[in-house]
Amino acid sequence: NAGVTQTPKFQVLKTGQSMTLQCAQDMNHNSMYWYRQDPGMGLRLIYYSASEGTTDKGEVPNGYNVSRLNKREFSLRLESAAPSQTSVYFCASSEAWDRTLTYEQYFGPGTRLTVT
Amino acid sequence: RKEVEQDPGPFNVPEGATVAFNCTYSNSASQSFFWYRQDCRKEPKLLMSVYSSGNEDGRFTAQLNRASQYISLLIRDSKLSDSATYLCVVLDSGNTGKLIFGQGTTLQVKP
Repeated sequence: NAGVTQTPKFQVLKTGQSMTLQCAQDMNHNSMYWYRQDPGMGLRLIYYSASEGTTDKGEVPNGYNVSRLNKREFSLRLESAAPSQTSVYFCASSEAWDRTLTYEQYFGPGTRLTVT
Repeated sequence: RKEVEQDPGPFNVPEGATVAFNCTYSNSASQSFFWYRQDCRKEPKLLMSVYSSGNEDGRFTAQLNRASQYISLLIRDSKLSDSATYLCVVLDSGNTGKLIFGQGTTLQVKP
């Protein structure tokens, strides 16, 4: 099992360019998440997908879109990159999503994005 | 005030030492708490869940103090391999199912 995989590992964009970060999991998990991690701040949730076919905004969704392509894959798109989106992006998955319980989240290795 | 606050450190300790980290959370209605470990430039991984009665896993002990709204992580007999950043995580009390991460506390264990 590869767990959670992300591509690319590194990316440099110019302001205004677009790109899609790919994420896939092979654990048959129902729920998937996108986070960003910035120095001095905790991981912040961008978007999540509680189950296939659904997506919801997290704490910092502005400037991003997501697609839950199927149960395995959850992509994050930056339509017009800005320097403020320079960050490390982590995808995660969990067995399920529940409002009052939590399931262990398994993280991918991250994508280091620089926007100049 | 941040929802989950941690002292970023770094905490520099010798091998074999006992070290403790605290984490405070702002919402008294929060119910579920966790410690994740993150190695340098790697992804976070669940270290342990924090139960109301406290729990222990080998050299690691996690405790919850609801009255003071803090969670602690105690590491005994520190190993070089314990060097990492420890993330305090709280389940959002607003029934959203979302996790709220602290910024992390960095531990460096020296020989």
